[in-house]
Amino acid sequence: EPEVTQTPSHQVTQMGQEVILRCVPISNHLYFYWYRQILGQKVEFLVSFYNNEISEKSEIFDDQFSVERPDGSNFTLKIRSTKLEDSAMYFCASSLDRLSSPLHFGNGTRLTVT
Amino acid sequence: AQTVTQSQPEMSVQEAETVTLSCTYDTSESNYYLFWYKQPPSRQMILVIRQEAYKQQNATENRFSVNFQKAAKSFSLKISDSQLGDTAMYFCAFTHNNAGNMLTFGGGTRLMVKP
Repeated sequence: EPEVTQTPSHQVTQMGQEVILRCVPISNHLYFYWYRQILGQKVEFLVSFYNNEISEKSEIFDDQFSVERPDGSNFTLKIRSTKLEDSAMYFCASSLDRLSSPLHFGNGTRLTVT
Repeated sequence: AQTVTQSQPEMSVQEAETVTLSCTYDTSESNYYLFWYKQPPSRQMILVIRQEAYKQQNATENRFSVNFQKAAKSFSLKISDSQLGDTAMYFCAFTHNNAGNMLTFGGGTRLMVKP
């Protein structure tokens, strides 16, 4: 069964550094998402991406964050200048359409900001 | 704004027995969807079951079924014949038609299935 893959599984970075989290969504999916889960807290929606542009974003997704689909397969989340509070598990997800087909999640990237 | 509440942070069940995980939600939307996701130690979130609010019939998926009480805004998950592989975090989630796949999650219930 096709899967969403995320790399790396764990990323450690220093405060203020830029970090890029990478995802390869399922190949025929059209909608892409990033969610995050701070340790001990709820999973939170960050952003959705369709047709090469952001379709929705949450209040969390401020100017420090950006997403890109640089080629036909990768979907990336960039955090420009990481803060301690960005430490979390980041999940990429994809879906075939906007609502009627389910989300498929990746295994997540654990980001630790020191 | 929508909220999803899971009041049981942890539960345990003996293998082969039945367990029910609770979820309540709050919304003013009329067209919405509810989900249960499983997150095993491998971390991947896996869709267990999905319910459309307009459907009266409770969704079932093999050993997993839901009790959807729309008036009470309750959406519990029943796992029958629990297996060791059911050990995981279980998240209840909500979305509505205008939100697409922007899910609102509950805080999760950690389920331990004991041999």
